Amino acid sequence: GAGVSQSPSNKVTEKGKDVELRCDPISGHTALYWYRQSLGQGLEFLIYFQGNSAPDKSGLPSDRFSAERTGGSVSTLTIQRTQQEDSAVYLCASSANGEKYTFGSGTRLTVV
Amino acid sequence: GDSVTQMEGPVTLSEEAFLTINCTYTATGYPSLFWYVQYPGEGLQLLLKATKADDKGSNKGFEATYRKETTSFHLEKGSVQVSDSAVYFCALSYGPGANSKLTFGKGITLSVRP
Repeated sequence: GAGVSQSPSNKVTEKGKDVELRCDPISGHTALYWYRQSLGQGLEFLIYFQGNSAPDKSGLPSDRFSAERTGGSVSTLTIQRTQQEDSAVYLCASSANGEKYTFGSGTRLTVV
Repeated sequence: GDSVTQMEGPVTLSEEAFLTINCTYTATGYPSLFWYVQYPGEGLQLLLKATKADDKGSNKGFEATYRKETTSFHLEKGSVQVSDSAVYFCALSYGPGANSKLTFGKGITLSVRP
């Protein structure tokens, strides 16, 4: 597509529920990144996929967070047993060569 | 590890005022440096970048110079406009390749009054 598409744009969930956030990158972009934007915390790196290489999961804050990327395209970020501190905007970005990123508009997650 | 520190915000300026937003970094290698901007209701987008020491990035009247000696990448604009109101993020990366993830500062909100 023309840009990075994320869905849903907004998600309200109850504490303890699981959520899935989707990212559809620009076609042909081999690199895909997930970031979390929390109030007062800036942008925090979560996970990075590059082609068929093992993902860099070094930013995932706990084992409740996981992500996969199917067929080198769409990615899903899953948060299990959500907590209130998980409330944030989750941003996805893709890149053709690791230099020029295109960011999606994000998913605003609110855990109540 | 690598980190980026931005000055505390928010910043409020009158139109046509001079803008400086400070950014310093700590890095184990020789990263590329970036400024990203997030306009209200829009996604994050690249404003400018510099890939090596003494390089100057510029775009839309904004400039930043990669200063290795002071590990800084301060953003400047000579005359801000209301349309510059946004959140500004300083960032670094070692891309392309395996280390291409961006490390961001906390961001600073700029509001420009007419």
